[in-house]
Amino acid sequence: GIQVEQSPPDLILQEGANSTLRCNFSDSVNNLQWFHQNPWGQLINLFYIPSGTKQNGRLSATTVATERYSLLYISSSQTTDSGVYFCARAAAGNKLTFGGGTRVLVKP
Amino acid sequence: GAVVSQHPSRVICKSGTSVKIECRSLDFQATTMFWYRQFPKQSLMLMATSNEGSKATYEQGVEKDKFLINHASLTLSTLTVTSAHPEDSSFYICSAASGNTYEQYFGPGTRLTVT
Repeated sequence: GIQVEQSPPDLILQEGANSTLRCNFSDSVNNLQWFHQNPWGQLINLFYIPSGTKQNGRLSATTVATERYSLLYISSSQTTDSGVYFCARAAAGNKLTFGGGTRVLVKP
Repeated sequence: GAVVSQHPSRVICKSGTSVKIECRSLDFQATTMFWYRQFPKQSLMLMATSNEGSKATYEQGVEKDKFLINHASLTLSTLTVTSAHPEDSSFYICSAASGNTYEQYFGPGTRLTVT
């Protein structure tokens, strides 16, 4: 089946720091999404990015489909960035397979 | 836009009873809705896919007679956990997608505790 792996599993940042989260997937992708799960469990859509680069404020994402990876960049991190970041890739029928997540803690 | 709600947000029930969870797309028509389960400190696992007006498709290992899914309209899907047991305690999350996009939007989740 489809494999989606995220690294690192845990990340502790000092407020203001930058970081890069990685998502590797086992086959070609036509749908890749990044989500942020806040401490209350809500998944928030960050990016729908099957290829290329997108930016939204302090966050940006790049997917290199030919090399089967995607990166999420967090710049000038804030305590509100804490939570779990998931990437997910869709198979046939738009079924999402989630990676294991990166648990981020931003310290003030 | 693209708001999905779930109700209830939290429910505690006794072992052997049934619990219904509702998932609604508030500002778009969801041709497909998905149900996920998430255990503490783990990732989301897809349970089933439901399309409006047709039977749900369950993932391998998910008991369809235990987790009843109904997608009666383009804005509402329900998940009923029948004869709940403590091992069914989990965080249940729905998502919705419209027919012209691959992007899924997620509800806030329902925390089920079976005592």
